[in-house]
Amino acid sequence: ETGVTQSPTHLIKTRGQQVTLRCSSQSGHNTVSWYQQALGQGPQFIFQYYREEENGRGNFPPRFSGLQFPNYSSELNVNALELDDSALYLCASSRETGAIYEQYFGPGTRLTVT
Amino acid sequence: AQSVTQLDSQVPVFEEAPVELRCNYSSSVSVYLFWYVQYPNQGLQLLLKYLSGSTLVKGINGFEAEFNKSQTSFHLRKPSVHISDTAEYFCPPRGKSSGSARQLTFGSGTQLTVLP
Repeated sequence: ETGVTQSPTHLIKTRGQQVTLRCSSQSGHNTVSWYQQALGQGPQFIFQYYREEENGRGNFPPRFSGLQFPNYSSELNVNALELDDSALYLCASSRETGAIYEQYFGPGTRLTVT
Repeated sequence: AQSVTQLDSQVPVFEEAPVELRCNYSSSVSVYLFWYVQYPNQGLQLLLKYLSGSTLVKGINGFEAEFNKSQTSFHLRKPSVHISDTAEYFCPPRGKSSGSARQLTFGSGTQLTVLP
């Protein structure tokens, strides 16, 4: 059983640019959640995708958007990057049917906006 | 909506000593409870979970936690810590409702530092 993977590991962007982060969910999982973790803080929920549709969203502006593909992998897109977007972006997969409720996290993508 | 309070931001403890990391949650609905560990510059690893049943839950690496519904607490314990347990620990609840996103709600975490 493969774990959750994310790419790239690190990324440096300039304010105003756009970025795409990628996540491959764990085998057998159908739900992907994205979290933003600023330095020294706990992760904050961005949004969740279930069967290719957004299934809930946290307090993030529309310039944060996502996709989920038929193979349940996912992308997080951020437009018009701001300095405060610098953070560790975590993807977590889960299987929201049956008796599995825990989320399994990937290693994260460290985004630096200059 | 759920919220969580991790009562200690920093917990220093000597190697082989016992440790308890405190976690209180506040929710108007039933929740599932989890403890995750985050080592420096890494993602989060699931330590243990409480879904239902026995209130004492055993996890990986010798950790255990006890769910106390009346006190809305889910404290994490380990009888003897190792240097390798030095990390950030989080206890996010999530709602059982099927009508909305089942996100984890994180607090600010507890930094456990094990001293030689």
